[in-house]
Formats: sequence, C-alpha cells, structure tokens
Amino acid sequence: NAGVTQTPKFRVLKTGQSMTLLCAQDMNHEYMYWYRQDPGMGLRLIHYSVGEGTTAKGEVPDGYNVSRLKKQNFLLGLESAAPSQTSVYFCASSLLRDTEAFFGQGTRLTVV
Amino acid sequence: RKEVEQDPGPFNVPEGATVAFNCTYSNSASQSFFWYRQDCRKEPKLLMSVYSSGNEDGRFTAQLNRASQYISLLIRDSKLSDSATYLCVVNMGNTGTASKLTFGTGTRLQVTL
Repeated sequence: NAGVTQTPKFRVLKTGQSMTLLCAQDMNHEYMYWYRQDPGMGLRLIHYSVGEGTTAKGEVPDGYNVSRLKKQNFLLGLESAAPSQTSVYFCASSLLRDTEAFFGQGTRLTVV
Repeated sequence: RKEVEQDPGPFNVPEGATVAFNCTYSNSASQSFFWYRQDCRKEPKLLMSVYSSGNEDGRFTAQLNRASQYISLLIRDSKLSDSATYLCVVNMGNTGTASKLTFGTGTRLQVTL
C-alpha cells in the first residue's frame, strides 16, 4: 500500500544549491501535483501534470521546474535554492479531475 | 480577497460538543468541493466530498450553499481524535480544464476532556 511516496523527507540546502524532489505513485493516476505549505498561507500549487509528458504552472511556479517523463513519477527541481523556498513540499495525485487527491508524506526543506 | 477563506481558529471545544466550520470561496463557477483533514506534521487526507444536496458521514455533515458561495462542516459529539486542522478545498478549474484544487489555510480544532 505505498500510494504516494516522496523522497527525501528532510533536506537542508545552502543558498544557490540545486536539488530534485521525487514523487512516485503506484495508483496509475493521471493527475499529479506539487504544493508547498507555509504557515498562514495554506497549500499553494506550484506545478501540476495532467498526464505523462505534460506539465503546467500553478499559482507559485517561479524558481521551480518539473518533469513527468513517466506516468508514475513527478519530479520537482530547484535550480538555485533561495531562503524563500524554505517550506514543506507535498506531492499529490488523483485519478481524475474531481476525485480524491492522495498526498505524500511531505518533504521538509530548509534553505540557509 | 483570498480564493478560499476559512476562520483559522483555533476552536477549543470539550469532548461531546458540536462544532461548525465555515468556508467561503470566490469563484462562482467552481464545481467540486471537499473537506480535508490534516494532523500536525502530516499530509492532508480527504475527510469528505461536499455535494449540492448536502451529505453526512457518521458524525460529520457537510453543506454547500452555491448562492452564497459558502461551505460548512458540522462535527457532532466531538472526540479527542477529531483534533486536527480542517482544510476547505475548492476545485477552481472550469469544467473540461485541468483540475485546480485551491486550499483554504485551514481551521484548527482542539478537543479537550
């Protein structure tokens, strides 16, 4: 019962470093999403994908890139990390547009 | 104005109490609505979908008022295990386009003995 798995779970980066967050789902879902959650801000959509090979910008895409080369994987990249990107990142997937979104356990990222 | 607004709380209630949360949304064309629950330092999980006719799941009742663009969640006979943050979620995407789940900032509930 893996569901949605995110790696890593914790990471500390120095300003300017790059990293990739991996999201994997084993439910054959079409839709995948990356959110960030900050105190008092709720979850905000960074990028999303409606199927293999497709990506689109969400509410706060600047500073991030994504790729969905395989249906089960959705990668979130930070090319040059900034302290403003310190946050908890959640990946989610859903079968269809209006069905339940399943979330990964989150990645706690600190940029110093 | 935020797209989805909730009272952040916290709501502190004794066990057995009834508590209601409210949520308003800005896009009158929104088609689907949900309540998610998030425990401290955990991921959000679906509590229930919200249908136009209203729906009930055990001690939980959700209502939708499209005219007022308002969603509510009622919890009866509160349990200690209900302590969590409740997220109002609205799909702001138009029908036929990609999903755009928009989350409220959440309402925190603390149930006490």
